[in-house]
Amino acid sequence: GAVVSQHPSWVICKSGTSVKIECRSLDFQATTMFWYRQFPKKSLMLMATSNEGSKATYEQGVEKDKFLINHASLTLSTLTVTSAHPEDSSFYICSADYELAGGPDYEQYFGPGTRLTVT
Amino acid sequence: AQTVTQSQPEMSVQEAETVTLSCTYDTSESDYYLFWYKQPPSRQMILVIRQEAYKQQNATENRFSVNFQKAAKSFSLKISDSQLGDAAMYFCASGGSNYKLTFGKGTLLTVNP
Repeated sequence: GAVVSQHPSWVICKSGTSVKIECRSLDFQATTMFWYRQFPKKSLMLMATSNEGSKATYEQGVEKDKFLINHASLTLSTLTVTSAHPEDSSFYICSADYELAGGPDYEQYFGPGTRLTVT
Repeated sequence: AQTVTQSQPEMSVQEAETVTLSCTYDTSESDYYLFWYKQPPSRQMILVIRQEAYKQQNATENRFSVNFQKAAKSFSLKISDSQLGDAAMYFCASGGSNYKLTFGKGTLLTVNP
């Protein structure tokens, strides 16, 4: 089956520093990846759509300068939280759109998530 | 724009019994997909079942089945012979031509032994 990994699974950083989260599709290529944020006992909130070779598309209200997204290859997207603050502490989840030979499958496979704690 | 509504924040079921989770949605797209995802305490999102809107036949996956009522924009999930491992948060989601998923707020399912 299609597997998506995230690294790290858990990170603690100090306020004002930056942290990078990697999302990899391990056994398939993904032109499109997505980044979500999830607060405890809440639903997933889409932050941005990451497109290989082009700029990410951010959802309304998401600061693009704070959450930098780079989709450098068909198997890797990164989310960098810049100048992190305690309010950025959250669970970040990525997903990759599984594409069949004939086109998109409209099915997303999710990474295991990254828990970010900013102190 | 798409919206997904799950009106049951919490549900409980006895082991081996059947439970139905409700979901309604709204979309302006003519071609769309509906999904149920399970999120156990590990927080890994797991696809339970998917339904293509153009298909009239309800999707089934072993003990999981859906009741897709397109005109009513309803997409409920039935879990038969509930098992302790079914305990999780369940999210209903819709997806369209932009490949984005819109999630409902989730239903926390408890399975009692």
